Amino acid sequence: DTEVTQTPKHLVMGMTNKKSLKCEQHMGHRAMYWYKQKAKKPPELMFVYSYEKLSINESVPSRFSPECPNSSLLNLHLHALQPEDSALYLCATSPLHGEEQYFGPGTRLTVT
Amino acid sequence: GQQVMQIPQYQHVQEGEDFTTYCNSSTTLSNIQWYKQRPGGHPVFLIQLVKSGEVKKQKRLTFQFGEAKKNSSLHITATQTTDVGTYFCAGRADYKLSFGAGTTVTVRA
Repeated sequence: DTEVTQTPKHLVMGMTNKKSLKCEQHMGHRAMYWYKQKAKKPPELMFVYSYEKLSINESVPSRFSPECPNSSLLNLHLHALQPEDSALYLCATSPLHGEEQYFGPGTRLTVT
Repeated sequence: GQQVMQIPQYQHVQEGEDFTTYCNSSTTLSNIQWYKQRPGGHPVFLIQLVKSGEVKKQKRLTFQFGEAKKNSSLHITATQTTDVGTYFCAGRADYKLSFGAGTTVTVRA
């Protein structure tokens, strides 16, 4: 299996809602990433997990909370988001941290 | 901090013509990766260059890594409509991967 899957594909949430984004991989990769991508911009790194431990947090606001329950799953918990958080949220994996990355299809998030 | 500059931002190409996109880093890189993102899609890994002066080819795509490991280029020959999309370079230094701004390619048939 060479795919990274993400659910949901689209998400609309209000500023008081709590929701979660999910990412799954079965490639045996030990590094997993969350990125945020605005239109016509490159992906912007948010978090890196290496061997299921959080290794990098790029000063992301606490309304975004990552979780890595096991080596195949990565979640991003969302709470009290702002309209400017609307973006494409991409999950990626790599065999080890620093190697080539394989991106999922993303979740397109709209905060109203 | 580390920055990767990528030019041009947009490239409008006649089908059949060649073009090149360039990346420059402010610091020496341990490797550089290239990704392609189709409109409405997600980034797809193309290639990774590690060695100084390295050149790799994938069909009509030629990737180069500079001797100083601070710059890289992607050259596409005989552009086809399937080449449409945004090409990102991403340079790695100190376990941090920095993406360039991307070159968005459109093709005139």
